[in-house]
Amino acid sequence: ILNVEQSPQSLHVQEGDSTNFTCSFPSSNFYALHWYRWETAKSPEALFVMTLNGDEKKKGRISATLNTKEGYSYLYIKGSQPEDSATYLCAFMFSGGYNKLIFGAGTRLAVHP
Amino acid sequence: DARVTQTPRDKVTEMGQEVTMRCQPILGHNTVFWYRQTMMQGLELLAYFRNRAPLDDSGMPKDRFSAEMPDATLATLKIQPSEPRDSAVYFCASGLAPSGQENTGELFFGEGSRLTVL
Repeated sequence: ILNVEQSPQSLHVQEGDSTNFTCSFPSSNFYALHWYRWETAKSPEALFVMTLNGDEKKKGRISATLNTKEGYSYLYIKGSQPEDSATYLCAFMFSGGYNKLIFGAGTRLAVHP
Repeated sequence: DARVTQTPRDKVTEMGQEVTMRCQPILGHNTVFWYRQTMMQGLELLAYFRNRAPLDDSGMPKDRFSAEMPDATLATLKIQPSEPRDSAVYFCASGLAPSGQENTGELFFGEGSRLTVL
């Protein structure tokens, strides 16, 4: 059974705060780790796809790191803004499984002005 | 502007009725996924196609659900008979199967079909 765990489940921060969330995944048979941003009443959109241990990716104020040996990825948001309010999903793609994508339950972020 | 199209956007039906949800993947994409949004699990994988062939439908209740890709431009998810516990938002997503560093399998999601079974 493949388990993708995300923590915390939800987070409330003030505008301007920096925050981070964790995604834990199996450390064996790794192929890729995806992060998606999912706003209410919309569909998920890809933020990052990471494949190599030690990968770091950045898009504006959002960045992500990857540790495939220990099976975790962190997503960081610097200087949170109300428009960052969304659910952040990570998804694990493992090798040998025809590359299907298994999602975690997400971290729900609310940024208060 | 290429996007995944899902129909219907909203469907209300009565228990026992057949429901068919349709998805048009982005032209050129060779993988199609069906997910169901749940409170506990976020996005629950129901079925997965590559090059129209079903590769994994282990997450799908086989007695009432079926998924097919009659051609490269259409994927369907059918529930027969529908039950109230099937009420959820169903997402279709398409992408290119991963092939090294050039392409890592990013998914593009449709807007979802909200199903309510009374």
